[in-house]
Amino acid sequence: GQQVMQIPQYQHVQEGEDFTTYCNSSTTLSNIQWYKQRPGGHPVFLIQLVKSGEVKKQKRLTFQFGEAKKNSSLHITATQTTDVGTYFCAGSGTASKLTFGTGTRLQVTL
Amino acid sequence: GAGVSQSPRYKVAKRGQDVALRCDPISGHVSLFWYQQALGQGPEFLTYFQNEAQLDKSGLPSDRFFAERPEGSVSTLKIQRTQQEDSAVYLCASSLWEVNGELFFGEGSRLTVL
Repeated sequence: GQQVMQIPQYQHVQEGEDFTTYCNSSTTLSNIQWYKQRPGGHPVFLIQLVKSGEVKKQKRLTFQFGEAKKNSSLHITATQTTDVGTYFCAGSGTASKLTFGTGTRLQVTL
Repeated sequence: GAGVSQSPRYKVAKRGQDVALRCDPISGHVSLFWYQQALGQGPEFLTYFQNEAQLDKSGLPSDRFFAERPEGSVSTLKIQRTQQEDSAVYLCASSLWEVNGELFFGEGSRLTVL
């Protein structure tokens, strides 16, 4: 079945440093979504990418969908303590279900 | 309600007991998903409903797991004869559209099987 891997599993940065998480699917995706889950919380939708090579920005966050629609990345510029949490990519192929990635846990310290 | 509501938030069951977890999605949302999230892991797909029809149940781990959404709104996930490996957070999510929509998650039901 479809597998979605993310690297790194964990990253610890100092506030103000940049952060990137990478997402790779074993199959071509029709779209990819990104979610953030704070400790003890539930996943919250950040963004959806649909087109090959698409790049979207939300303030300090930049999301990219690969040309082959099998990978994606999330880059955070100048991290803040409010960015702490686990970031999941989630992709869907031809079926409606979203397959979540393994997640990248981000820790930010002052 | 304003968001997806799940109950109970916490459930402790003895091994072998049956449990029922309820999800009340956002009004008007067509799609409803159940996911299982073990500690430190990503959500794992269990099953998907479009209105009252269960279109995909490929993620249910065994025939002890059963889900229903009889009137196309509230859904119940039932686990029979619970085992310790069933301990996890069970997340319900709803989406306005049939396909590729943003998922709105509930707070989850944390199940601990002793």
